[in-house]
Amino acid sequence: KQEVTQIPAALSVPEGENLVLNCSFTDSAIYNLQWFRQDPGKGLTSLLLIQSSQREQTSGRLNASLDKSSGRSTLYIAASQPGDSATYLCAVSRTGANSKLTFGKGITLSVRP
Amino acid sequence: EAQVTQNPRYLITVTGKKLTVTCSQNMNHEYMSWYRQDPGLGLRQIYYSMNVEVTDKGDVPEGYKVSRKEKRNFPLILESPSPNQTSLYFCASTILGIGELFFGEGSRLTVL
Repeated sequence: KQEVTQIPAALSVPEGENLVLNCSFTDSAIYNLQWFRQDPGKGLTSLLLIQSSQREQTSGRLNASLDKSSGRSTLYIAASQPGDSATYLCAVSRTGANSKLTFGKGITLSVRP
Repeated sequence: EAQVTQNPRYLITVTGKKLTVTCSQNMNHEYMSWYRQDPGLGLRQIYYSMNVEVTDKGDVPEGYKVSRKEKRNFPLILESPSPNQTSLYFCASTILGIGELFFGEGSRLTVL
């Protein structure tokens, strides 16, 4: 059974800092991995999707990497801003697609002005 | 505007009173799914559907039913709600092959 772990559960950094959020998964037979952002009381917004054949994806100040063999993904946020404060979740889908996604419990990020 | 719409957004009900949470998407997505989010447990999948009339259980299907009679709609049915179904529920959709997942705004359900 796939398990997705995100540690630490919470993180507080000063504005402007570059930071890395980690995601690990136990079964490397994944179809893709997604990173999401969730603001309090809101739904999830997809940030980046990495297919299993890819190593990384970039969008603006965000960069996500994937290392299937080690079961790890990282989300890099450059020059963090208070508006980046949110919960960040990663989710993996199994090989074969069209099936269940398994989510991590998320990392709650607070960026201090 | 591409969106997933859930209704109701907030609901307080009593044990045993049947309720339905509706979910509709306007993106012609084949894949739709329901999740519940609970503190300390994260997001867990309840049911998913890969197309009309095709549904399958997720990790926590007990106490829930779904149907997919039309491509755009995927209602979640609680036949006899119990307090342990108090939770925040999300509907999501994507293309077949699980691309970018689009989420609704969530439905907060309280069962007394």
